[in-house]
Amino acid sequence: GEDVEQSLFLSVREGDSSVINCTYTDSSSTYLYWYKQEPGAGLQLLTYIFSNMDMKQDQRLTVLLNKKDKHLSLRIADTQTGDSAIYFCVVGGSQGNLIFGKGTKLSVKP
Amino acid sequence: DAGITQSPRHKVTETGTPVTLRCHQTENHRYMYWYRQDPGHGLRLIHYSYGVKDTDKGEVSDGYSVSRSKTEDFLLTLESATSSQTSVYFCAISSGGIIYFGEGSWLTVV
Repeated sequence: GEDVEQSLFLSVREGDSSVINCTYTDSSSTYLYWYKQEPGAGLQLLTYIFSNMDMKQDQRLTVLLNKKDKHLSLRIADTQTGDSAIYFCVVGGSQGNLIFGKGTKLSVKP
Repeated sequence: DAGITQSPRHKVTETGTPVTLRCHQTENHRYMYWYRQDPGHGLRLIHYSYGVKDTDKGEVSDGYSVSRSKTEDFLLTLESATSSQTSVYFCAISSGGIIYFGEGSWLTVV
């Protein structure tokens, strides 16, 4: 079935870049998303990319999409302690539904 | 935040009691969704609505019902709560194809 895979944990030092990777089996939606979730909070839309784009940059965030390899990545430049959270890769399924990855927990060490 | 309010934010209830969670939106969005989030499962769609009185089932709809009698409110009801329904419930709306989530409702069934 449709699936989204992402690594569960990532640890980086403050000031370094973080790269969170995601692979998916299929995507039928116009958008592919990254959401951020802090402990005890809701899912905050971090950024998204149109399926016909290769790259999107938004301040410290860079999203890369490789449709051929079905690979999506999120790069956070100059990672700060406030970036510590769980990041979800989300794509659209063939039934019009959203398919969520399990989330990558980003830990930022001072 | 796309004008989404969930209530209650936290609730503890006993097995067998009915529970209703409310999602309220202020921006006239047509599509509204209810998800649950559980460790190891990510987010799973319970029910969604594509207009007043128009609803459909998601992947984990058993034990849940929904109603949408007006555009701004989407209600999720657990007719007879069970411990397996202890979870965090998120309402979401679609705005121009972009999905935004509410802050979540933490439900504990004891």
